[in-house]
Amino acid sequence: DSGVTQTPKHLITATGQRVTLRCSPRSGDLSVYWYQQSLDQGLQFLIQYYNGEERAKGNILERFSAQQFPDLHSELNLSSLELGDSALYFCASSVELGGFQETQYFGPGTRLLVL
Amino acid sequence: GESVGLHLPTLSVQEGDNSIINCAYSNSASDYFIWYKQESGKGPQFIIDIRSNMDKRQGQRVTVLLNKTVKHLSLQIAATQPGDSAVYFCAEDGGSQGNLIFGKGTKLSVKP
Repeated sequence: DSGVTQTPKHLITATGQRVTLRCSPRSGDLSVYWYQQSLDQGLQFLIQYYNGEERAKGNILERFSAQQFPDLHSELNLSSLELGDSALYFCASSVELGGFQETQYFGPGTRLLVL
Repeated sequence: GESVGLHLPTLSVQEGDNSIINCAYSNSASDYFIWYKQESGKGPQFIIDIRSNMDKRQGQRVTVLLNKTVKHLSLQIAATQPGDSAVYFCAEDGGSQGNLIFGKGTKLSVKP
């Protein structure tokens, strides 16, 4: 158990819909990262938040957005869903001390299926 | 990052043998590397990491070797067990962004 929690574990929805994925980082971790894992693209970085502020953006679609709240939990919002958005979505967290890369610990993921 | 694709490289070993999983990374400026293990239906699990000022680091039954000259990383697993069966990913730091760039996974299959 990494200490990172994600809900829900599974999500089935229809095209055009909007969903929210939730992540609670490990106690004490200030950085939260979101990754997408699909069969044909592997693990792709989406976005990072540090202590409530957006820190870095990767291959995140404009239909997707995220935020990190004062209690450090984070939500990833996916809207106007398409079939191709079906994937595993992982959240990871790290302490991020002094700007050095620190180990990222991953949650169990949310499996999203868009029908 | 690189695409994993539908067909992962597969390494099949006999239980008790040593396993070596290789990875080529892309950025010569990367200074932090991690190996993750991902079992079916689970999130990536941290195994071992190494910084660029080292060329070898050992953990429990695992060793990571870093060759910066040829941008190559390897993971050695001693006395491989059935519970080691999983997909293994190497990752390098994404520079100032702080994200990780994952390489192609390798599927390790351990035969009892």
